[in-house]
Amino acid sequence: AQSVAQPEDQVNVAEGNPLTVKCTYSVSGNPYLFWYVQYPNRGLQFLLKYITGDNLVKGSYGFEAEFNKSQTSFHLKKPSALVSDSALYFCAVRDSGRGNTPLVFGKGTRLSVIA
Amino acid sequence: DAEITQSPRHKITETGRQVTLACHQTWNHNNMFWYRQDLGHGLRLIHYSYGVQDTNKGEVSDGYSVSRSNTEDLPLTLESAASSQTSVYFCASSESRSADTQYFGPGTRLTVL
Repeated sequence: AQSVAQPEDQVNVAEGNPLTVKCTYSVSGNPYLFWYVQYPNRGLQFLLKYITGDNLVKGSYGFEAEFNKSQTSFHLKKPSALVSDSALYFCAVRDSGRGNTPLVFGKGTRLSVIA
Repeated sequence: DAEITQSPRHKITETGRQVTLACHQTWNHNNMFWYRQDLGHGLRLIHYSYGVQDTNKGEVSDGYSVSRSNTEDLPLTLESAASSQTSVYFCASSESRSADTQYFGPGTRLTVL
């Protein structure tokens, strides 16, 4: 079975500081990993994904994520947080060896960037 | 520009009524998905479709049904609405490949009184 965990419900960070939103996953094969962001009263927006290749993936709005196979993690990072980054962030995973199975989403992490 | 739309954006209904939520995409994507979002549960998959005439149950399919008669639309029907189905519902679509990104609609907020 495939699963994903976001261990923090809430992350608070000061504007200008680096931010990290954590994600760990479990799949039997190789993972396809995704990060999405949700602003208030909006649908989810795609940020970035890892399929294969370089472990450091760069995405929209200055976000990046690092795939770590040994730790089964895919943490989202940004060097300098902005107040406008405040939103709900979702990690998702799909097992690449299980055909076109649907994505499994984490429960989300609310990021608050304080001015 | 291609897009995915949902209607209505807000709906209030009564327990026991049948409700249909619409989802329409102009991406020409094969795959379409319905999720519900609830506090503490994140996104949970209700039903999904990999093409015309194909439908599959997700994690929380009881009380919901879908049908796929064309590529663009995947309506979600609540056969007899219950208060437990008060939620925000999101539709999404993607191409046919497993590594493809899902694109989400703006959501429908449903309240069952």
